Amino acid sequence: DQQVKQNSPSLSVQEGRISILNCDYTNSMFDYFLWYKKYPAEGPTFLISISSIKDKNEDGRFTVFLNKSAKHLSLHIVPSQPGDSAVYFCAASAEGGGADGLTFGKGTHLIIQP
Amino acid sequence: AAGVIQSPRHLIKEKRETATLKCYPISRHDTVYWYQQGPGQDPQFLISFYEKMQSDKGSIPDRFSAQQFSDYHSELNMSSLELGDSALYFCASSFLPGTGLYNEQFFGPGTRLTVL
Repeated sequence: DQQVKQNSPSLSVQEGRISILNCDYTNSMFDYFLWYKKYPAEGPTFLISISSIKDKNEDGRFTVFLNKSAKHLSLHIVPSQPGDSAVYFCAASAEGGGADGLTFGKGTHLIIQP
Repeated sequence: AAGVIQSPRHLIKEKRETATLKCYPISRHDTVYWYQQGPGQDPQFLISFYEKMQSDKGSIPDRFSAQQFSDYHSELNMSSLELGDSALYFCASSFLPGTGLYNEQFFGPGTRLTVL
């Protein structure tokens, strides 16, 4: 049972436009969410996180939105750049995070077209 | 600052052999996590350690064991290897403040284990 779902395996966006990656979760105990970016043959790179007490967190070109009632979060990248082409994983943690493991979605392959 | 270091980066073993993967966390990080990523799959959490004590346990097979040492590095020991153990193994580290606030996990480059 996939508790974190990324329903779009791939997404193609033109350079300079906005990229929106979506993530849904089913476990209502999740209260901390993270986005990671992954290039082939490398480990996931942390991008941005949000706790359930917030509905938005922004860091440069990256903004994460959380809709707790819908159990949905999204990552916005504006403007999209060629270097943003990678696989993006949504991850979640429950009950304060701490030293708990993360539950990952299956990832979305973002392709930025020139 | 140096990131999480994992060794070896690549490892080839035969079925039923044993393997040991090593992880060196970011300086001053006290928590280590292990994940397994099969081909085309999402990373699956195996186990974590905080201050040398096992903290959380995920889908780690009984054939696997791990520990965290006094210098905070960690080792994942895998015995009776099976073909299905072929995967990327990631280690991540974080620093947990006393308040127990959330902390981002920073991942290493991974060890690619191939079991023949």
